[in-house]
Amino acid sequence: TQLLEQSPQFLSIQEGENLTVYCNSSSVFSSLQWYRQEPGEGPVLLVTVVTGGEVKKLKRLTFQFGDARKDSSLHITAAQPGDTGLYLCAGMRGLSGGYQKVTFGTGTKLQVIP
Amino acid sequence: NAGVTQTPKFRILKIGQSMTLQCTQDMNHNYMYWYRQDPGMGLKLIYYSVGAGITDKGEVPNGYNVSRSTTEDFPLRLELAAPSQTSVYFCASSLVGLAKNIQYFGAGTRLSVL
Repeated sequence: TQLLEQSPQFLSIQEGENLTVYCNSSSVFSSLQWYRQEPGEGPVLLVTVVTGGEVKKLKRLTFQFGDARKDSSLHITAAQPGDTGLYLCAGMRGLSGGYQKVTFGTGTKLQVIP
Repeated sequence: NAGVTQTPKFRILKIGQSMTLQCTQDMNHNYMYWYRQDPGMGLKLIYYSVGAGITDKGEVPNGYNVSRSTTEDFPLRLELAAPSQTSVYFCASSLVGLAKNIQYFGAGTRLSVL
């Protein structure tokens, strides 16, 4: 079973602070996705990273895929209360027939206090 | 745009009862998935389907059954509910392919087995 460990599990910070969430595995993934989930809702995709070393920016969010494609990080600059939610990473591995097997991480619960 | 629709939103079952969680999507996606999410955790794949008439087991299939008679619908059946099946269930759908494997999630069904 492939495991994706996220750290930290919980994070409570003040508005305006910076933070980084990590997603680590011993397995190689063909691509990795980050989702945000708000209470009572399903996860919503934020980004997909495909190439080892790739960096993608989405406003104040910066996503990086590790060179070996085993890990990823999400950095938020100047966090805002609207960033509050559960952040999930998901690693994808291609199987025969074109199906992409998805393994979700353990999640990081972020609370940004005004 | 409806996207992925799940019903019911909430349900309480007694041990040993059965029920079907409904999921329908209007995006003509071939791939559909059922996940469960335990409190504060990531998602675990129960079953998935790569097209009408084709289903396969995920990580945690025991105690569940699925069918896929149409592209749109992917119901999940619990035959003999157990307290361990208390969870939030998410249905998702996606297109095929590495870069296009964006999963769209429903809002979830919160199930309690007492």
